[in-house]
Amino acid sequence: DGGITQSPKYLFRKEGQNVTLSCEQNLNHDAMYWYRQDPGQGLRLIYYSQIVNDFQKGDIAEGYSVSREKKESFPLTVTSAQKNPTAFYLCASSNHRGGAYNEQFFGPGTRLTVL
Amino acid sequence: GENVEQHPSTLSVQEGDSAVIKCTYSDSASNYFPWYKQELGKRPQLIIDIRSNVGEKKDQRIAVTLNKTAKHFSLHITETQPEDSAVYFCAASRNSGGYQKVTFGIGTKLQVIP
Repeated sequence: DGGITQSPKYLFRKEGQNVTLSCEQNLNHDAMYWYRQDPGQGLRLIYYSQIVNDFQKGDIAEGYSVSREKKESFPLTVTSAQKNPTAFYLCASSNHRGGAYNEQFFGPGTRLTVL
Repeated sequence: GENVEQHPSTLSVQEGDSAVIKCTYSDSASNYFPWYKQELGKRPQLIIDIRSNVGEKKDQRIAVTLNKTAKHFSLHITETQPEDSAVYFCAASRNSGGYQKVTFGIGTKLQVIP
């Protein structure tokens, strides 16, 4: 399944709580990404990271935070500031070969529901 | 920033017919165009991709065409089968400050009717 895992598969959060979604890859990929998927809106980029200890905001970063302390791991925290966090969250990784960009490998996703 | 438009949003075809999904992009710096297939409840998986120095690419029943001048690219599936039923996403990718910035279309739900 591509060597990229996410946990948990389902997550329930009460309003006002922060939650952290895990993403781990053993593909030795430099770049990692977080996307949010909502019905009818495709995949929207939250954050992305090229190397350890560096990351950039995507198109919808407000209310989210990330860290990249290890090459293999890119956890996403959904904070209480995120107004509508119920969604399906996908993590992905990719590698660059000779400066060219290549396919992204996706994890199985985490479905977050706010109660 | 990049904007990728994809249509149609839903597509129903009879088994054995062809299906075509079209996408347009806005940023001329985009140079890599992957297509992903996402079956219900599963992760997106790459089915074919094309780089900006190529106009067409084919892999068995799947082909992708790219028109850089018009900034549009299309996915063609021939001899469709029920297992082709899924959501298909196009994407445009460019170098953004050393990062690969990928923008996805909203997806096309393809239904192949047996």
